[in-house]
Amino acid sequence: GEDVEQSLFLSVREGDSSVINCTYTDSSSTYLYWYKQEPGAGLQLLTYIFSNMDMKQDQRLTVLLNKKDKHLSLRIADTQTGDSAIYFCADPPVSGGGADGLTFGKGTHLIIQP
Amino acid sequence: DAMVIQNPRYQVTQFGKPVTLSCSQTLNHNVMYWYQQKSSQAPKLLFHYYDKDFNNEADTPDNFQSRRPNTSFCFLDIRSPGLGDAAMYLCATSGGTGDTGELFFGEGSRLTVL
Repeated sequence: GEDVEQSLFLSVREGDSSVINCTYTDSSSTYLYWYKQEPGAGLQLLTYIFSNMDMKQDQRLTVLLNKKDKHLSLRIADTQTGDSAIYFCADPPVSGGGADGLTFGKGTHLIIQP
Repeated sequence: DAMVIQNPRYQVTQFGKPVTLSCSQTLNHNVMYWYQQKSSQAPKLLFHYYDKDFNNEADTPDNFQSRRPNTSFCFLDIRSPGLGDAAMYLCATSGGTGDTGELFFGEGSRLTVL
């Protein structure tokens, strides 16, 4: 089945850039997603990238997609204390059409140092 | 305004005592999902409804059941909760096949089993 891998923790200083990495196994995905989860809350979509794109920028967020290496990254510029959360990479399952839900990585805890 | 609403946010039950968690949506989406999320783990899909069509994941225990009486509501029933069922339960919706596949999540229901 589909596998999505992320490192569990990332610690950065406030004001620096954060780069969260993800690898996935399914090469047929149309979209790939980044979700954010704050403590005790549900998941909130941050951004997504269409599979025919290499990069997508949205304000402080930059998503890079390397389809050859099946690698997705999320860069957060000028990281703030409010960015402290768990970030999940997500991919539709191998079996999936648009309705079969998403397969999530374990999430990367972003820790902000003052 | 919240578009996917889960109740209760926190549920405490005793070992073996049935529990029902509810989810409602104002998005008029075709698809509703239930995910289980344990600490430091990826959200795990339990099952989903595409309209009235129920889709169970192969490894979802029989202890977990679901009902979708209409488009807006979906319920998760845990017939005999065990200690291992303590988790956050996340409801999500999507527009279905042909959509971007984005999931819209509720805030979650945290289940404690004593």
